[in-house]
Amino acid sequence: GAGVSQTPSNKVTEKGKYVELRCDPISGHTALYWYRQSLGQGPEFLIYFQGTGAADDSGLPNDRFFAVRPEGSVSTLKIQRTERGDSAVYLCASSLQGEQYFGPGTRLTVT
Amino acid sequence: AQTVTQSQPEMSVQEAETVTLSCTYDTSESDYYLFWYKQPPSRQMILVIRQEAYKQQNATENRFSVNFQKAAKSFSLKISDSQLGDAAMYFCAYRKRGGSEKLVFGKGTKLTVNP
Repeated sequence: GAGVSQTPSNKVTEKGKYVELRCDPISGHTALYWYRQSLGQGPEFLIYFQGTGAADDSGLPNDRFFAVRPEGSVSTLKIQRTERGDSAVYLCASSLQGEQYFGPGTRLTVT
Repeated sequence: AQTVTQSQPEMSVQEAETVTLSCTYDTSESDYYLFWYKQPPSRQMILVIRQEAYKQQNATENRFSVNFQKAAKSFSLKISDSQLGDAAMYFCAYRKRGGSEKLVFGKGTKLTVNP
């Protein structure tokens, strides 16, 4: 079956703008994770959904970051008032029981 | 908080040779998993191998094997018969059993395979 998909693949935006990043998990996977990977670093956890609810959002850096998963499938990561420091690859992963399967990520560049 | 440390930013190996990537971690938990992920330039994280902390036997997957030293909190990856397609970033990761089961990653090791 299809893997985790993320759109867009690349996003360039100006400082101060609002962006939305989309993740389509593997069908049937109840758990969904967002990670952020800055240049030269490993991925860092942002938020975890179990079904529709955010079960752990302890990794969100500040209140400019928000994520939703209204129907327990597709998730959207929303970033308000983007800053140059938000530039990174945003990775999504989904899981049913245990193993996390990653998407190809969205590279966000804030100019 | 759990931390994962990869002390080798870059490694290189000749094709067909063996290379070992190092990883250490810190945790107070007793039940957890350890992983090695491969990230090629396509950015997609690919699971290479996993180890459950309660298992003493080291995991193996074809040319990939680990040396898991629980007391030393060490988890190294050995790649045998290296191939050009093995060239990538390799990340060591930790996950506690239970809770959100979020992954904690190291900073990665860039592996170059020379023909």
